Amino acid sequence: DAGVTQSPTHLIKTRGQQVTLRCSPKSGHDTVSWYQQALGQGPQFIFQYYEEEERQRGNFPDRFSGHQFPNYSSELNVNALLLGDSALYLCASLPKNPLSGSLTDTQYFGPGTRLTVL
Amino acid sequence: RKEVEQDPGPFNVPEGATVAFNCTYSNSASQSFFWYRQDCRKEPKLLMSVYSSGNEDGRFTAQLNRASQYISLLIRDSKLSDSATYLCVVSPLRGSQGNLIFGKGTKLSVKP
Repeated sequence: DAGVTQSPTHLIKTRGQQVTLRCSPKSGHDTVSWYQQALGQGPQFIFQYYEEEERQRGNFPDRFSGHQFPNYSSELNVNALLLGDSALYLCASLPKNPLSGSLTDTQYFGPGTRLTVL
Repeated sequence: RKEVEQDPGPFNVPEGATVAFNCTYSNSASQSFFWYRQDCRKEPKLLMSVYSSGNEDGRFTAQLNRASQYISLLIRDSKLSDSATYLCVVSPLRGSQGNLIFGKGTKLSVKP
């Protein structure tokens, strides 16, 4: 059973460029969340996708956008990159029917994409 | 005030020691609570969920005090392999449906 996969593993970009990161959720999961983890910080929630729509969003500017495909995989796009966007970008997936709200449901994280902006 | 606050450490302890981590959260409406473990340059992994009744998993015990908005993690008989950063996590929704709110993490280093 494949877990959450992300690509690429590492990426180097320059300021002002655009980047697309990809995530495939764990088998049987249909909801994907994206997080940004800066060095020395805990992950911060960017947004969550369910049924190909953004259902929740954290405190991130519009430069951060996403997409979910019918096969539940997802992309995170960041435009006009800033030095401060350098971070580990984590994708997490949740089981189907997240609104059932089981206390044992958990988000499974992928290995992340480490983005460096120069 | 940060939503989830933890002592960043580092906690440097010898093998076999007992170590306790604490965490406070600001939103009294929070529904779900977790401890995640993150190894250096790896993704966070769920260590355990935290319930009001407290829960134990082997050498690990987690406690939740809703009145004080306080979460704790106790590790007994520390192993070298316990060295990692421990993240306190809170969710405004049941389970982990929505956004997880992470603390900065507490770094633990277990020495021989």
